[in-house]
Amino acid sequence: EVQLQQYGAELGKPGTSVKLSCKVSGYNIRSTYMHWVNQRPGKGLEWIGRIDPANGNTIYAEKFKSKATLTADTSSNTAYMQLSQLKSDDTAIYFCAIDYYDGTYYPLDYWGQGVMVTVSS
Amino acid sequence: DIQMTQSPASLSASLEEIVTITCQASQDIGNWLAWYQQKPGKSPQLLIHSATSLADGIPSRFSGSRSGTQYSLKISRLQVEDTGIYYCLQRYSNPWTFGGGTKLELK
Repeated sequence: EVQLQQYGAELGKPGTSVKLSCKVSGYNIRSTYMHWVNQRPGKGLEWIGRIDPANGNTIYAEKFKSKATLTADTSSNTAYMQLSQLKSDDTAIYFCAIDYYDGTYYPLDYWGQGVMVTVSS
Repeated sequence: DIQMTQSPASLSASLEEIVTITCQASQDIGNWLAWYQQKPGKSPQLLIHSATSLADGIPSRFSGSRSGTQYSLKISRLQVEDTGIYYCLQRYSNPWTFGGGTKLELK
């Protein structure tokens, strides 16, 4: 069974950074892309970017290019997203999600449970 | 960036009713469109991929269609468990972009 485990909630002060993790079981992350999506309170879904864990290549939505840094550790089958220079506007739930391929391509087929990041002094 | 304009923003329908949600893409995205359902406090779930293909385990009352750059999600007979928020997603080009969402409630 494929599972994405995101841990805990995060509280960060303005101007600081947080690093979120997403550990995958049941699927080799080298075989897929790891995406990150956020959802501000009461708002819709927003695609932040994705990483190809096999080679570290990343693509970001323009507004997140200086905000988010995506990395992956294939030895532990875990992906990470660091959010820097936190502002109150970064308060949101952050999801990780992977595409799944079994001959058919399923985009964002498996999701983590999400992590609430709250930015407050 | 490709804009996905989703409508309606909210919808109230009765049990067994037919429900249709649409997404208009700002440019041609072919069949690179997916639909997701999100229930309160939960992660989104893939319903439809490639504009018209049902994801594994999704009831057959859900279907997707395409007409040019307009995409539709249809629920043929609304059930209680279908309430939630629905999103379309284009993955034709980076950045991937979601529609604004449609909140579906029971009347």
